[in-house]
Amino acid sequence: NAGVTQTPKFQVLKTGQSMTLQCAQDMNHNSMYWYRQDPGMGLRLIYYSASEGTTDKGEVPNGYNVSRLNKREFSLRLESAAPSQTSVYFCASSSVREQYFGPGTRLTVT
Amino acid sequence: GENVEQHPSTLSVQEGDSAVIKCTYSDSASNYFPWYKQELGKRPQLIIDIRSNVGEKKDQRIAVTLNKTAKHFSLHITETQPEDSAVYFCAASIDGGFKTIFGAGTRLFVKA
Repeated sequence: NAGVTQTPKFQVLKTGQSMTLQCAQDMNHNSMYWYRQDPGMGLRLIYYSASEGTTDKGEVPNGYNVSRLNKREFSLRLESAAPSQTSVYFCASSSVREQYFGPGTRLTVT
Repeated sequence: GENVEQHPSTLSVQEGDSAVIKCTYSDSASNYFPWYKQELGKRPQLIIDIRSNVGEKKDQRIAVTLNKTAKHFSLHITETQPEDSAVYFCAASIDGGFKTIFGAGTRLFVKA
């Protein structure tokens, strides 16, 4: 099992550019999440998907959109990147308790 | 809204000493409290968790305690080793679900 995978690992964008972060899990989990991690602020939930076909906003959803393409895949889209979105992004999936995280995407917006 | 406060933000101990990290949560409905360890440049990984019907749980050198009345829970690491150096996150949730709230993290340094 690969667990949770994310692409890309690193990305540099210019302000105003768009991009999609991809996430996939092979553990047959219903729930999937997108977090951002900034120094001193822990992990903040951007969006989550309780099951295929549903998505909901988390703590910091502004500037992002998500798509739960199927049970395995959950993508995060930045339509018009801003420097404030420079962060490390983690995707996660969960069964009934533990969250399994992907390796992260380090995004820099200049 | 709900939040989880974690202290200290940085902790430095000598190898062999104990380390204690404390968290408080605000949502009294929370019933599941995991702890994650994140090594430098890596993903967070679950190291131990506790449910609200249990006051203490131990796994080798790590233990967690929970005081539901005070809404406090703590991580205890005994006989620390250099490989324990990492960032530790506490979290609180209802049934491990969608509203998992993470603390801001504690950076632990274990000096050899």
